[in-house]
Amino acid sequence: GEDVEQSLFLSVREGDSSVINCTYTDSSSTYLYWYKQEPGAGLQLLTYIFSNMDMKQDQRLTVLLNKKDKHLSLRIADTQTGDSAIYFCAEKRVSGGSYIPTFGRGTSLIVHP
Amino acid sequence: KAGVTQTPRYLIKTRGQQVTLSCSPISGHRSVSWYQQTPGQGLQFLFEYFSETQRNKGNFPGRFSGRQFSNSRSEMNVSTLELGDSALYLCASSLGPQTGSGELFFGEGSRLTVL
Repeated sequence: GEDVEQSLFLSVREGDSSVINCTYTDSSSTYLYWYKQEPGAGLQLLTYIFSNMDMKQDQRLTVLLNKKDKHLSLRIADTQTGDSAIYFCAEKRVSGGSYIPTFGRGTSLIVHP
Repeated sequence: KAGVTQTPRYLIKTRGQQVTLSCSPISGHRSVSWYQQTPGQGLQFLFEYFSETQRNKGNFPGRFSGRQFSNSRSEMNVSTLELGDSALYLCASSLGPQTGSGELFFGEGSRLTVL
């Protein structure tokens, strides 16, 4: 996951918006993903964006993709305490004739009242 | 539809022992991949199997191996355990390695502690 970079921590107040940023390196990546991991659990796909899109919105989630800068962001509107988790950015990278997701190290989102 | 099932959920081993972890993918999914998650290294890709064949392998020593059965269930094995192998081992399944968006469905993981 060293080629996908994320900040390690983000702290926000309940009700505010959270923005988690990610940079990736493989310009040929076709899909980019955001996964969420709650304590003691595996990863759960939150949303993904195809590389020919700039933005995708899904309820409280907005994903922005800047292919020129290889920058991906996830905005969570009206952040709730239940959103506290680790958020992973991932890219679908070609490797050995197949596609494998490559993950960042995750951003721990802490939501406080 | 049942999710991805990993067994055992927790296990404790001592250095030098070996361990086998099991993963049952979602019904109909034919691709299984394994990841090692540690606080220091994050989520690292181990290997991917599709139709009983290893398609990709991450940068791990030969002590880490895996296989996939005809029913798509997969096992991974770690031999000669070291303290640094303590981690959460996550299995993920998908329809296939080059199918659609490539969404992965993760199990809850097997937490291995090596003493």
